[in-house]
Amino acid sequence: DTEVTQTPKHLVMGMTNKKSLKCEQHMGHRAMYWYKQKAKKPPELMFVYSYEKLSINESVPSRFSPECPNSSLLNLHLHALQPEDSALYLCASSQVGREYEQFFGPGTRLTVL
Amino acid sequence: GENVEQHPSTLSVQEGDSAVIKCTYSDSASNYFPWYKQELGKRPQLIIDIRSNVGEKKDQRIAVTLNKTAKHFSLHITETQPEDSAVYFCAASTAGSARQLTFGSGTQLTVLP
Repeated sequence: DTEVTQTPKHLVMGMTNKKSLKCEQHMGHRAMYWYKQKAKKPPELMFVYSYEKLSINESVPSRFSPECPNSSLLNLHLHALQPEDSALYLCASSQVGREYEQFFGPGTRLTVL
Repeated sequence: GENVEQHPSTLSVQEGDSAVIKCTYSDSASNYFPWYKQELGKRPQLIIDIRSNVGEKKDQRIAVTLNKTAKHFSLHITETQPEDSAVYFCAASTAGSARQLTFGSGTQLTVLP
C-alpha cells in the first residue's frame, strides 16, 4: 500500500462543534504531518510527529489538537474553530530521516460556518 | 531559515508550447528540490525532483535544471497539454536531515487548447 488516506473528504462544521480529521498510512512511515492549505497557496506546516511523538508544532492555535495513536494513524481534533480556519487539511507521511520525501493524502476540505 | 521564491504566479500558454517556472532559494545547505503538481481539489503530487549534485534531470516532457551557484532551479514543460493545467509548487529541503520542505508560493499554469 503506497497511499495516504484521509477521512472525511469534506466536512462542514459550526463554530461550536467538535470534529476530528483522520489520516492513515501503511507504508511503515514513522513521520507524519498535518498541513493547512488555502486555495492556490502552498501547504503550511502545522504539526510533525516522529515515532508517534509530537516533534514540531508551528505555533498552531490550541483549537487544533493533534493525536498519533499508533504508527499508522494520525488524527486532528477540531474544537471552536473560526471561519478563517476553512481550508484544505492535508496529511503527509515520510520515513524518518527522509523528511524531504513526503507522500500527501487527498486532504479534507473543511468549511467552518 | 530557508526562503523559496517562485515566479511567475500565473502562466498561460497555448497547447503545444513550452512553459517555464522559476524558483530561487536562500539557504546554500539545501540540496533537494522537488516539484509538485496540484490539480484543483486534489493532493500535491511529486512530479520530478533534483538533488544538488545534478545540474539537470528529465522525465519525458518535464525537465528540471539547477544552478547551485546562483541558487535557482527551474521547471520546464515541453509540448504542453490541457491536462498540464494545475498549480505547480517548487520546494527546497536538505536530504539527510530532519529539515522540512519549504514551499514556493505556487504557479497557476493554464494551457489553452
